[in-house]
Amino acid sequence: EVQLVDSGGKLVQPGGSLRLSCTASGFTFDFYSMSWVRQAPGKGLEWLSYISGTSLETFYADSVKGRFTISRDNAENSLYLHMNSLREEDTAVYYCARGLWSGYYTGFDFWGQGTLVTVSS
Amino acid sequence: QSVLTQPPSVSGAPGQRVTISCTGSSSNIGAGHDVLWYQQFPRTAPKLLIHGDNNRPSGVPDRFTGSKSGTSASLAISGVQAEDEADYYCQSYDSGLSGRWVFGGGTKLTVL
Repeated sequence: EVQLVDSGGKLVQPGGSLRLSCTASGFTFDFYSMSWVRQAPGKGLEWLSYISGTSLETFYADSVKGRFTISRDNAENSLYLHMNSLREEDTAVYYCARGLWSGYYTGFDFWGQGTLVTVSS
Repeated sequence: QSVLTQPPSVSGAPGQRVTISCTGSSSNIGAGHDVLWYQQFPRTAPKLLIHGDNNRPSGVPDRFTGSKSGTSASLAISGVQAEDEADYYCQSYDSGLSGRWVFGGGTKLTVL
């Protein structure tokens, strides 16, 4: 059974930093790309960042480019999101999601349960 | 402002057919990129409902069907049930400047 477990979210002050983690099980982790997607309170879904199975490719949404860094440790079946210069508008539930391959990565077939990041003074 | 446009809400009585639209552009749905649909209940993670425009993952009831034409897509729920009350999001890939994987703003389905 595929499982993704998100962790690391907490209350942080504006300008602060945080590292989110996602631990995977039930599939061969390094065969799949992974992404982070967030959802602000009462709002829709926003894709943030992508990393290929080998970590050779990474992509970012403009809203987080230069502030967030995605990484993975295939030996530990773990995905990370390093978040710097946090702003109040980064307050959201953050989900890790597994890439769905259909000739290219079209979307996401499994999601973590989410972890809440609150940016506030 | 979401790249894909969905109605904020739809409703229907049990047993009725309900459709949710998703309008994109020539850089995403209109470029032929796959459309996916997700179902999300309050305080839970999204769940993949439809992929490849009209394919259901194992376990998804066949009352959920997807379709695509031009720059738009639709999710139809035939014989809607009370347990289908949830938020629904469309998603596609964008080869323009909007970012790579783009979502609709979500549609709240209310079963009357």
